[in-house]
Amino acid sequence: GQNIDQPTEMTATEGAIVQINCTYQTSGFNGLFWYQQHAGEAPTFLSYNVLDGLEEKGRFSSFLSRSKGYSYLLLKELQMKDSASYLCAVRDSNYQLIWGAGTKLIIKP
Amino acid sequence: IAGITQAPTSQILAAGRRMTLRCTQDMRHNAMYWYRQDLGLGLRLIHYSNTAGTTGKGEVPDGYSVSRANTDDFPLTLASAVPSQTSVYFCASSGTGASDTQYFGPGTRLTVL
Repeated sequence: GQNIDQPTEMTATEGAIVQINCTYQTSGFNGLFWYQQHAGEAPTFLSYNVLDGLEEKGRFSSFLSRSKGYSYLLLKELQMKDSASYLCAVRDSNYQLIWGAGTKLIIKP
Repeated sequence: IAGITQAPTSQILAAGRRMTLRCTQDMRHNAMYWYRQDLGLGLRLIHYSNTAGTTGKGEVPDGYSVSRANTDDFPLTLASAVPSQTSVYFCASSGTGASDTQYFGPGTRLTVL
C-alpha cells in the first residue's frame, strides 16, 4: 500500500529552527510537495521537490532523498504566524497526490 | 472570482437528504479534485477530473458522485447523506503537469445528523 508518515505534533520556540520529517512509500514517484494549513483554512503550497537535494525559499527549505524515501521541511527564524499544520504529499505513478496526515507545529514565545 | 470558490461554507444536513457541494475555478485549470479532510487523517481523494467531460474515482468514492460539464465547475453530490460523511470538503484545481501545484478552495464544513 501507499504510505506517508509525518510526526503528529511538534513544538518549537519563536526565533528558532525546526525540521519536519516525512517518509514515504508510494507506487511510483513524480515529486513531493509541502503545504501549509492554518486552522480552519485551506492548504497553501510551500514547496516542490522532484530531484535530490535542497530547495531554499526564504525562511523555508525542503530537502529530498529519493533513494531513502525521505524529505524534510526546514523552517528558520520561526515566527508566531508559522503555527500551522504542515502537509507532505507525494505524486504517485497515476499522477495523484498521496497525503500525509500532517504535522501540527506549535510555536511558543 | 479569483481562484476557487466553494459553496456553501458550512451546512448541517439530515441523514438521507441529498446535497450538492459547488466548486468553481477561474484559472482555466484542466484538472479538478474533491477531497475530504478528517481529524487525524490526511486529505483523501474522493473524485477527480483531468479535463472537462471526464471523471475518475479516488480513494473514497462510495456515496459520492461528480460531473464535469465544463472547465470551470465541478460539483460533488451526496445522493443520500450518512453521518460518516460528516467532514470538511475541499475542492482543488491544477494543471496536468507533474510539477503543477494544486490550488484549494476555502472548504465546506458538512455535518450530517
